[in-house]
Amino acid sequence: DAGITQSPRHKVTETGTPVTLRCHQTENHRYMYWYRQDPGHGLRLIHYSYGVKDTDKGEVSDGYSVSRSKTEDFLLTLESATSSQTSVYFCAISKGTENTEAFFGQGTRLTVV
Amino acid sequence: TQLLEQSPQFLSIQEGENLTVYCNSSSVFSSLQWYRQEPGEGPVLLVTVVTGGEVKKLKRLTFQFGDARKDSSLHITAAQPGDTGLYLCAGDQSNTGKLIFGQGTTLQVKP
Repeated sequence: DAGITQSPRHKVTETGTPVTLRCHQTENHRYMYWYRQDPGHGLRLIHYSYGVKDTDKGEVSDGYSVSRSKTEDFLLTLESATSSQTSVYFCAISKGTENTEAFFGQGTRLTVV
Repeated sequence: TQLLEQSPQFLSIQEGENLTVYCNSSSVFSSLQWYRQEPGEGPVLLVTVVTGGEVKKLKRLTFQFGDARKDSSLHITAAQPGDTGLYLCAGDQSNTGKLIFGQGTTLQVKP
């Protein structure tokens, strides 16, 4: 199994509070991704990173920010959580453009009340 | 608008039946991937198709990449209850490493 750890696995937070989700990898893969998964939408890309301090927006980036200060860690921050951000969040890693085969973490279930 | 459109979104069949899931796009992809996801888990890669017209087989699963590299299909022969799950296609948008997914096909195989 690819070494990807997401934390926390479950979180309940209140509307308006900031929330940070962490993804940690031990595979030294260049690319890291954050997706959210909601019924009927598959996986939607929030942000991705192609190296330390190199990030770009995905399809649904509004309300989210990311940071990657080390190869192994990719943080997703909800600046001010809203109920529409209640979802399951997945982190994934891949080697890069020559090989985008992705390996996923176990997911984080976030509930905003 | 989804760049990768999957159909059908839901499929409920009896054990032993055959089925096909489609993944279509108006864009050309250098490769397409298929993943399977079980409840409470992250998606797991099944296969990557790279060459237009390519056919790959994984036991009872057959994957095909369209000649124009804009579409792909997944065919399951004699489906089993163990095939139940969410099937997702994915591709690298603009060959930048930006991996995007279709909305998925939920398959239920009844015994």
